[in-house]
Amino acid sequence: EADIYQTPRYLVIGTGKKITLECSQTMGHDKMYWYQQDPGMELHLIHYSYGVNSTEKGDLSSESTVSRIRTEHFPLTLESARPSHTSQYLCASSPPLNTGELFFGEGSRLTVL
Amino acid sequence: QQQVKQSPQSLIVQKGGISIINCAYENTAFDYFPWYQQFPGKGPALLIAIRPDVSEKKEGRFTISFNKSAKQFSLHIMDSQPGDSATYFCAASMGNFNKFYFGSGTKLNVKP
Repeated sequence: EADIYQTPRYLVIGTGKKITLECSQTMGHDKMYWYQQDPGMELHLIHYSYGVNSTEKGDLSSESTVSRIRTEHFPLTLESARPSHTSQYLCASSPPLNTGELFFGEGSRLTVL
Repeated sequence: QQQVKQSPQSLIVQKGGISIINCAYENTAFDYFPWYQQFPGKGPALLIAIRPDVSEKKEGRFTISFNKSAKQFSLHIMDSQPGDSATYFCAASMGNFNKFYFGSGTKLNVKP
């Protein structure tokens, strides 16, 4: 079973607040990803990382930022949350042997009022 | 632009029936096609995957059929069970697995 953890699982905050979604994995995976998931829509890649100090923007433009200071940790930050940021955010990682499998966390559901 | 198109959006099947979910893609550079299963409150988990050098892959009750010329692939769930009720996502990636492109998901409900 994959060991990738996301916190918080649910977050309701007001507009303008700064939030950080945490993602940690204990598998030593180099590649990590953040996906945004809305009901009835495909998972959209918003950020990815190949390893420490590597971050790239995904195909869906996002006002969030990410950092990768440690292999196991890939937090996502929104400096000023808005209602349009309301969504589910999924963190994933993939092993270095390029098996093609993504291991997902259980997600962080963000609601901005 | 959606890289992978999935249908139907929802599907209701009787227990013991066959569930079929279809996906289509345009980018011929894709060479890895996984299916993910997601239960409510959980993240997606890899169910089965195929590469374009084979036309079919079977794992238990789950089969992927792949049509390279039509750029289509489908998931067949034989003898569908209520425990199969979940959302299914198809996806596509290129060999380096740096990016995965997902379909919009199919919510499957298997009636007992």
